[in-house]
Amino acid sequence: AQTVTQSQPEMSVQEAETVTLSCTYDTSENNYYLFWYKQPPSRQMILVIRQEAYKQQNATENRFSVNFQKAAKSFSLKISDSQLGDTAMYFCAFITPQGGSEKLVFGKGTKLTVNP
Amino acid sequence: DAGVTQSPTHLIKTRGQQVTLRCSPKSGHDTVSWYQQALGQGPQFIFQYYEEEERQRGNFPDRFSGHQFPNYSSELNVNALLLGDSALYLCASSFLRGYSGANVLTFGAGSRLTVL
Repeated sequence: AQTVTQSQPEMSVQEAETVTLSCTYDTSENNYYLFWYKQPPSRQMILVIRQEAYKQQNATENRFSVNFQKAAKSFSLKISDSQLGDTAMYFCAFITPQGGSEKLVFGKGTKLTVNP
Repeated sequence: DAGVTQSPTHLIKTRGQQVTLRCSPKSGHDTVSWYQQALGQGPQFIFQYYEEEERQRGNFPDRFSGHQFPNYSSELNVNALLLGDSALYLCASSFLRGYSGANVLTFGAGSRLTVL
């Protein structure tokens, strides 16, 4: 079975500080892609960062970076210099791109609140 | 450039009724996927449409059906509504590139369905 586990239902951080969101996943496939999506109250899923499983180098996007541990099947998201606009639900997800499949498997999410 | 647009944004139905949700993909995209997001949960894959055919389906009953039109827009139909069908229904689009890697999905803001 393909699953994603986010063990932190809620987290909070002070503005300008750093926070790390945890994610573990389970798949028997060797070729897959990992994602972090952000869902603000507007409901629209917004891609935060993406990691190819065959790449050892951790992906970074401005203030967002990941710690990808393939053997441990762990994919955590670090947000540096947190901003009020980072307040949202964060979902970890992965996809195994066989035949153009777009079946993303999501975790249950972590609600992040950035306090002023 | 308009992103993914979904309609209606909110709707209320009663048990046993049928509902149709609509999605227009982002300009240049040819593939549409539908996801169901129950309250407090991550999205779950319903199905994917490409070239007007259902390419892949998640673990959803036949009451859930879809269609893709020649202009790439799509509809999600749910028959014989149950209380448990109450959820946010998300549409996502992408440009299918075959086996070269995972496509980045662009999500709409969703249609919130309440079944009474």
